[in-house]
Amino acid sequence: AQSVTQLGSHVSVSEGALVLLRCNYSSSVPPYLFWYVQYPNQGLQLLLKYTSAATLVKGINGFEAEFKKSETSFHLTKPSAHMSDAAEYFCAVSRASGTYKYIFGTGTRLKVLA
Amino acid sequence: EAGVAQSPRYKIIEKRQSVAFWCNPISGHATLYWYQQILGQGPKLLIQFQNNGVVDDSQLPKDRFSAERLKGVDSTLKIQPAKLEDSAVYLCASSLRTGNGYTFGSGTRLTVV
Repeated sequence: AQSVTQLGSHVSVSEGALVLLRCNYSSSVPPYLFWYVQYPNQGLQLLLKYTSAATLVKGINGFEAEFKKSETSFHLTKPSAHMSDAAEYFCAVSRASGTYKYIFGTGTRLKVLA
Repeated sequence: EAGVAQSPRYKIIEKRQSVAFWCNPISGHATLYWYQQILGQGPKLLIQFQNNGVVDDSQLPKDRFSAERLKGVDSTLKIQPAKLEDSAVYLCASSLRTGNGYTFGSGTRLTVV
């Protein structure tokens, strides 16, 4: 079975500060891991994905995440927050084979303070 | 390329009524997914199609929900009869190949009153 835990349902950062959104996963098989962003009244947009290649993954809008197998983590970071980063962020895990259905975390709402 | 199209964007119905949602995936995407996103929660998979065949419908409440994907292209999701707890955003997604990441539509927000 697979699961995802996102620590912190709400995170606030100042504009220009480091963004760190935490994601821990549980998987009995090699996982694929994803981060998605959701703006109000919109669907989910893929930020980045880990599919067993490089452990440090760079995505869109300056975000990156590092796969750490020993810590079963896939935290999302951005060096400098921008007001436009305010949104809800979802971490997801899937099997690296089989049906590939995604199991999503409960989401973290990021607020950026001026 | 055009994205995943969903309609309607919003729907308000009374409990015990029926409702249908439509999804047109990105051209050529063989895999199509329907997710339910209840307010404050992450999306939950309802059903996954590969072409016009069902791959996974283990979390679809089959007593009231049904879905089809005729000809392996667009898809409809139906709820009959609706309950208050069905109020959610229904997201459709498609993917070209496994491990590539889904592309989501904008969703249909259903309110059951």
